[in-house]
Parts: sequence; C-alpha cells; structure tokens
Amino acid sequence: DAKTTQPTSMDCAEGRAANLPCNHSTISGNEYVYWYRQIHSQGPQYIIHGLKNNETNEMASLIITEDRKSSTLILPHATLRDTAVYYCIVGHNQGGKLIFGQGTELSVKP
Amino acid sequence: DAGVIQSPRHEVTEMGQEVTLRCKPISGHDYLFWYRQTMMRGLELLIYFNNNVPIDDSGMPEDRFSAKMPNASFSTLKIQPSEPRDSAVYFCASSLPVSETQYFGPGTRLLVL
Repeated sequence: DAKTTQPTSMDCAEGRAANLPCNHSTISGNEYVYWYRQIHSQGPQYIIHGLKNNETNEMASLIITEDRKSSTLILPHATLRDTAVYYCIVGHNQGGKLIFGQGTELSVKP
Repeated sequence: DAGVIQSPRHEVTEMGQEVTLRCKPISGHDYLFWYRQTMMRGLELLIYFNNNVPIDDSGMPEDRFSAKMPNASFSTLKIQPSEPRDSAVYFCASSLPVSETQYFGPGTRLLVL
C-alpha cells in the first residue's frame, strides 16, 4: 500500500474551515484514500473515503487532486470537539488491513 | 447496534500474569482487527481475521501473544506471560466484507506492573 505524508500538527480557529493536507504520491490506480480521526482516549473513527472524485458527507469533504497524488480533508466549520489526530490512509477497499501513520494533530482553538 | 464491544476497559496486572482481552464485533461484520497503541509506536495492527480465520498475524510481537476467533461474534487476544512493555491501549475493530471502513471499539487500557 502507498505511504502517506501529513503535517505533524495544525491549529484552526473555532468556526473556521480546517483544511488538512495529505500527500500520497505513490498511490496506485485502484487504491482509495481514507480519513480517520482519533479523539483523545477514544478509538479511531472513520470520516470519509474516496477514489478519484471529491466526496462529501455529514462530517467532512474530501478533495482529491486530479493526479491523485494528494488530497485535502475539509472540516467546514470546525468546533472544539473536532480537536483530534487525523489519519490519512491509502487502501484497496477490499477489506483487510489499514496502516496508520502518525497523523496530524489538529487543535481547534476558541 | 451497540458497536464493537471490548472488555475489560481497564486492566492492571503484574508482570508474568496472563492477560485476556475480549472483543465482540458488530453483527454481520466479517473482518476483525486487533491493534495496539503506544506513544512510542503509534497505532499498530497486530492481527486480523476474515470469517474467523486469521489472515495476517505479522504484527504480533512475539510468541507471548496469541489471538483466537472461535465464532463470528467473539475474539480474544491473550498475552502470556505479560511484561511491562506490553502496557498499551488495545483496540479491536470490525468491518464489512468489501470495505476498509473499520469500526473501532473503545479500547482496553492495559498496565503491566
């Protein structure tokens, strides 16, 4: 599976959009981009995933570049409860293992 | 559905003792995963099962660790004998057959003294 690179940490003001980048330059054609987050003392939580097209759900939007070598997770109106570590992962959407990196620690500040 | 259930939520034991962690996956999920999380190593996959059969146990640290899934609704992770370096949070997760959307349990916080 392709590796991903994320910034170690980011800050965001409450109510503003949080844009979390991820590089996955070695992604292959059949690999999906997944985003999970882990709020302190809880298990990781699935947010969203996509292959080529941009995706949106009730939690976030996922923007994937045309060459698929990078993506951005957007939390449109960040709240204090969005403070968490966000993981970008590449996988095959066929069941099976996901490899979690170090993620980005997002701090939403009042 | 109650989600993935793990027990116990906290476990404190002494070095050398046997520890058994338990997991009940979401009903209908064919995949079950065991992870370990520490500050030093982050979130590591230990082993995963498909239809109760172990598929990949390459992440299991050593022979002291073993995992079983006797049926579709129950799995155990056993450490015998336990050591202080096994102190970590152990997560269980499950997913549907053709998906990498994994649903995680609340974790078991293990402290080995």
